[in-house]
Amino acid sequence: NAGVTQTPKFQVLKTGQSMTLQCAQDMNHEYMSWYRQDPGMGLRLIHYSVGAGITDQGEVPNGYNVSRSTTEDFPLRLLSAAPSQTSVYFCASSQGPAGNQPQHFGDGTRLSIL
Amino acid sequence: KNEVEQSPQNLTAQEGEFITINCSYSVGISALHWLQQHPGGGIVSLFMLSSGKKKHGRLIATINIQEKHSSLHITASHPRDSAVYICAVRSRETSGSRLTFGEGTQLTVNP
Repeated sequence: NAGVTQTPKFQVLKTGQSMTLQCAQDMNHEYMSWYRQDPGMGLRLIHYSVGAGITDQGEVPNGYNVSRSTTEDFPLRLLSAAPSQTSVYFCASSQGPAGNQPQHFGDGTRLSIL
Repeated sequence: KNEVEQSPQNLTAQEGEFITINCSYSVGISALHWLQQHPGGGIVSLFMLSSGKKKHGRLIATINIQEKHSSLHITASHPRDSAVYICAVRSRETSGSRLTFGEGTQLTVNP
């Protein structure tokens, strides 16, 4: 039972570098989301997708890009990493809209930007 | 003021105690979620509810829509219940794919 798989689990980047956080789910869920979790704050939505080819911005989208070419995969791209993007990133999927269905989360990616 | 407030922020209990974690919200909602974040970081959905009460094992979640308040109860607590418990709401005024999260309650259950 793979569920939602995120890679890598840990990553250290230098300011200005780019990278892609991978997220894959094997439950045939249409809805997928990316969140960041910072100390003293609740999870915040970065981008989300309601199906292949359809993405939209969340609460904190600046500095991040997403695409959804398949139902299974929803990668998150950091275009030019900044120290403010140091965070723990979670990918989640659900059968229907996130607010109306239980969400399945990946184990998270811990990202440090130096 | 955050749309979702949890209390307490930190809670320490002895094994066997009855535990209550509270969640208050300030917007009209269509659903409320309780999540558990393990010490290793993984997040698991515990409950989704829009009215009344739900029970799963030793966990009970209740919601009072009129008072904009939900509680998560743990009966006969155990050290393995130690985790961060997160409340999240789907506001009626946002799209279905958006949840607003509380900051979480760190629960530690000592043997």
